Amino acid sequence: ILNVEQSPQSLHVQEGDSTNFTCSFPSSNFYALHWYRWETAKSPEALFVMTLNGDEKKKGRISATLNTKEGYSYLYIKGSQPEDSATYLCAFIRANDYKLSFGAGTTVTVRA
Amino acid sequence: GAVVSQHPSRVICKSGTSVKIECRSLDFQATTMFWYRQFPKQSLMLMATSNEGSKATYEQGVEKDKFLINHASLTLSTLTVTSAHPEDSSFYICSASIGGPGTEAFFGQGTRLTVV
Repeated sequence: ILNVEQSPQSLHVQEGDSTNFTCSFPSSNFYALHWYRWETAKSPEALFVMTLNGDEKKKGRISATLNTKEGYSYLYIKGSQPEDSATYLCAFIRANDYKLSFGAGTTVTVRA
Repeated sequence: GAVVSQHPSRVICKSGTSVKIECRSLDFQATTMFWYRQFPKQSLMLMATSNEGSKATYEQGVEKDKFLINHASLTLSTLTVTSAHPEDSSFYICSASIGGPGTEAFFGQGTRLTVV
């Protein structure tokens, strides 16, 4: 079992505020890191697929960075909106078998 | 994006019975699908890799006779929980990818299984 950790487990954000949270993963045998957004009663949906150290990706108000050497990724939400409320999962993909190892997720609740 | 449909979304069954969960790729062909299990407040744990036309490969600690996987076509994989017990109660979810290994996964909606 690979150690993929996400912190914090949950956070509450006031509408309009920005926030960020972390995914840490093994720094060896790296192939890719995925971020998924999982809204209640829906399927997880991919936000980002990140493969290169130093990668920065952006989709609207959400962005992510990747540091493969030290084994962490940050996800940022700028100007949080109620529709950003969801659980955000990261998944580490190892190079030898391409299997996804998930963190337990960070649940974001945006208060209006 | 691609659509994966999973059915049923919720099921309650009696201890000792078997339950079948279906995972369908609606607009693409999936030679490989993945089955995960999630306990409360824990991460998605890979149970097995379902391979079209061949046997599934199971992760360490997952009983293949308890969790039967069939991938008879390029659009359908099924997970059957046999002789279910209360400890099998969990959330089960499937996924598939369009691209090569390690590419974005498309998930079903998940199935909440309760064994009473």
